[in-house]
Amino acid sequence: RKEVEQDPGPFNVPEGATVAFNCTYSNSASQSFFWYRQDCRKEPKLLMSVYSSGNEDGRFTAQLNRASQYISLLIRDSKLSDSATYLCVRLRADSWGKLQFGAGTQVVVTP
Amino acid sequence: DVKVTQSSRYLVKRTGEKVFLECVQDMDHENMFWYRQDPGLGLRLIYFSYDVKMKEKGDIPEGYSVSREKKERFSLILESASTNQTSMYLCASREGDQPQHFGDGTRLSIL
Repeated sequence: RKEVEQDPGPFNVPEGATVAFNCTYSNSASQSFFWYRQDCRKEPKLLMSVYSSGNEDGRFTAQLNRASQYISLLIRDSKLSDSATYLCVRLRADSWGKLQFGAGTQVVVTP
Repeated sequence: DVKVTQSSRYLVKRTGEKVFLECVQDMDHENMFWYRQDPGLGLRLIYFSYDVKMKEKGDIPEGYSVSREKKERFSLILESASTNQTSMYLCASREGDQPQHFGDGTRLSIL
């Protein structure tokens, strides 16, 4: 089983709608998570950090459910520019800040 | 602003060649990382370095080596390129508890 698993999608979302998707992790010792966004043929860029139970940044809300070992990302009022692949990332429990990436969830926002 | 620069966006090499991928960061970060990204597998850590001349194996180091002679530069070396090393290669750097910042990536094709 992969340590970080994501539904690859694509999630097709009408502009203005809300979309949410999850990421599950297998290592219960995991403390910190991130959502990165990656546009086609571009590098990943940090979208938001997920500490404690969750985090909100504008239209984006991330939640962490430790009991069920998943992280969710919710996007409200979707924009065309939100079309991207969203990578769920776990901070490994070592001193080097190594990250473990999920394979990504593709979101396509349509007019 | 954070800047991680990879020497080539696209590279085509032949089987058996020795290939060098260069990465330079201008933020004086101590930690640098090399990943490869393949469809359905996400980003996988090849090697990382936490200081000049220091290196550690990641999850998939076989067939690769690295060099960190200066703090700002982290090179990935394919000793004898093989077709299964065709991939997108991403370099990242990080300082302390800050998120990793990625370069634009190098699409490497081995023929």
